[in-house]
Amino acid sequence: DGGITQSPKYLFRKEGQNVTLSCEQNLNHDAMYWYRQDPGQGLRLIYYSQIVNDFQKGDIAEGYSVSREKKESFPLTVTSAQKNPTAFYLCASFPGRMNTEAFFGQGTRLTVV
Amino acid sequence: DAKTTQPPSMDCAEGRAANLPCNHSTISGNEYVYWYRQIHSQGPQYIIHGLKNNETNEMASLIITEDRKSSTLILPHATLRDTAVYYCIVPTSGTYKYIFGTGTRLKVLA
Repeated sequence: DGGITQSPKYLFRKEGQNVTLSCEQNLNHDAMYWYRQDPGQGLRLIYYSQIVNDFQKGDIAEGYSVSREKKESFPLTVTSAQKNPTAFYLCASFPGRMNTEAFFGQGTRLTVV
Repeated sequence: DAKTTQPPSMDCAEGRAANLPCNHSTISGNEYVYWYRQIHSQGPQYIIHGLKNNETNEMASLIITEDRKSSTLILPHATLRDTAVYYCIVPTSGTYKYIFGTGTRLKVLA
């Protein structure tokens, strides 16, 4: 089955450590996205990538980094520079044709202690 | 980037139609309007999208005004399972930038 997979579902890290969240899709989609969601809030765009080896900052990119070396993969690294990293992180992919919908993963809940 | 504005919350009686409005006054001529919903702590679920004509599928109907500056998502017979946050999104043409607004928290009441 085609889909978008985020792993792990729950992640715990100590303060000051970098952590990488995985996002893989087998939908052959060109564009991929990372969002952050805090309790009771909407989704805020961190980074997005339209094609391999290219990505752009979203509204809250500070303290995060991404790579897009393969079409299928768009990992997000939460660095120690991110002041409040505890949040729910969602990955999405989009075919790149405007008359089609985006697909979302089920999210990773990161807790930094 | 096209911005969207939605009311923060709405209630609807079970079995009645839920009408969720969205304003997108800066939409460009070739940009689509998409609707998604998010049930607590899950990934958003696609509902419907449209360009200028009204659209209907098995989940909902989408009514877009003639000037395309606003739209309404209609859930014809709301059930308790439709309780969720509903997002109206207008992806930026050419960049495919998906920006979520604050959404509308719909509560369906028994």
